[in-house]
Order: sequence, then structure tokens, then C-alpha cells
Amino acid sequence: SQQGEEDPQALSIQEGENATMNCSYKTSINNLQWYRQNSGRGLVHLILIRSNEREKHSGRLRVTLDTSKKSSSLLITASRAADTASYFCATDARTGGFKTIFGAGTRLFVKA
Amino acid sequence: DAGVIQSPRHEVTEMGQEVTLRCKPISGHDYLFWYRQTMMRGLELLIYFNNNVPIDDSGMPEDRFSAKMPNASFSTLKIQPSEPRDSAVYFCASSFEGEAPLHFGNGTRLTVT
Repeated sequence: SQQGEEDPQALSIQEGENATMNCSYKTSINNLQWYRQNSGRGLVHLILIRSNEREKHSGRLRVTLDTSKKSSSLLITASRAADTASYFCATDARTGGFKTIFGAGTRLFVKA
Repeated sequence: DAGVIQSPRHEVTEMGQEVTLRCKPISGHDYLFWYRQTMMRGLELLIYFNNNVPIDDSGMPEDRFSAKMPNASFSTLKIQPSEPRDSAVYFCASSFEGEAPLHFGNGTRLTVT
């Protein structure tokens, strides 16, 4: 079964607005990652946050991690039409080898 | 530097036929992963290799599926015989020392009729 579950499943916003996506997971993790997938393409890594970190920034991306609630959020500020894609959280569990398990993803549509 | 290369990009085949998907990981990466993506089940990890050795194949759905990695620069995923429910996008990904991030290819879209 999937480790991470994203919320919402789909999100539609206007260009310039902020987009927030949430992820919940089930087991103890080493790190949590966010990936982006454009239609018809492979996933591209965006940002990684380790289990001992609470917040991380990269450009217009801000990721938070709450290990007590087993949840994370991805904030994209000042969204652009080019941000339209699916976004996935992924976790590397503390046990079970080098398995990266992906959530179901959030489909983001940014209207120009 | 070239990324992960998968071939073919699209494959259409009839039920019962053998299908072989191919992957070339990023040079120097020692971990290789095969994932399958469907609308119903999302991204599923099928199998992964470390230094060409299969480590965990617990995600391989059935004996009809097999994967090999004869050398550090090539891996195959074979389905024999194929069934319509195998229709999906199959991704290959590689990483260095098993650490994030994973680098994905653009996938093979498989349609079994």
C-alpha cells in the first residue's frame, strides 16, 4: 500500500496565488521528498527534507515536516502557469531497505 | 550528462505477447528501480537492484514479470505473457548509493489489447 497520501487530489488556482499541498504518511521515515511530474514525463525531484528538519526552502518552494503528525506540506508561492503538473510526496522508510514509496499525488492546475 | 534513458517510449501489443522494456541508468549510479504507474494504483515499486543484483522484488505482481540487470548500464523488465491489465506507464529510476533523489526516465507507456 502507498506510504504517502496527498491532499487535495486536485487543485485549481489563478496565476500569482499560492498553492499548498499536504502529505500524510504511515511509518517512521529517514526523509521525505517532493517530486513533480509533467504530463507524459518522468518524475523530477524538487526538494528533500530530513526527519530531523522542520522546514526547508528552495526558491518559491517551502516544505514543512511534522514527524509527530506524520505529515508534510508543500507550498508553492506566486504560482505560474508553468507550475501546472502533478506533485508527489515520497518517503524513505527507516526500515525495509532503500525503498522510496510515493503517494497518490496532487494535480495542480494554474490558470493564466 | 544524459539522464535515465528508457525505450521504447510507447509499446502496443496484443494479449499473450512478450514485452521487453529497457532502461539505461545514469552512469555511476549503483541503484536501479522499476516502477509502474496507473490511475488506480498510482506509482508502485516493482523491483530494485543494487550493483546489478536484485535486492527486493516483492512488488513484482506475478511470475509473468521478470527483471534483469546484466551490467551496470542496462536493465530489462519483461512481461510474458502480457495481459490487458498490465497496461500502464513503466518507469525506471536510478540513484547513487540508494540515496535520494531518484532520477527518473520518461517512461514506457504500455498498452496491451
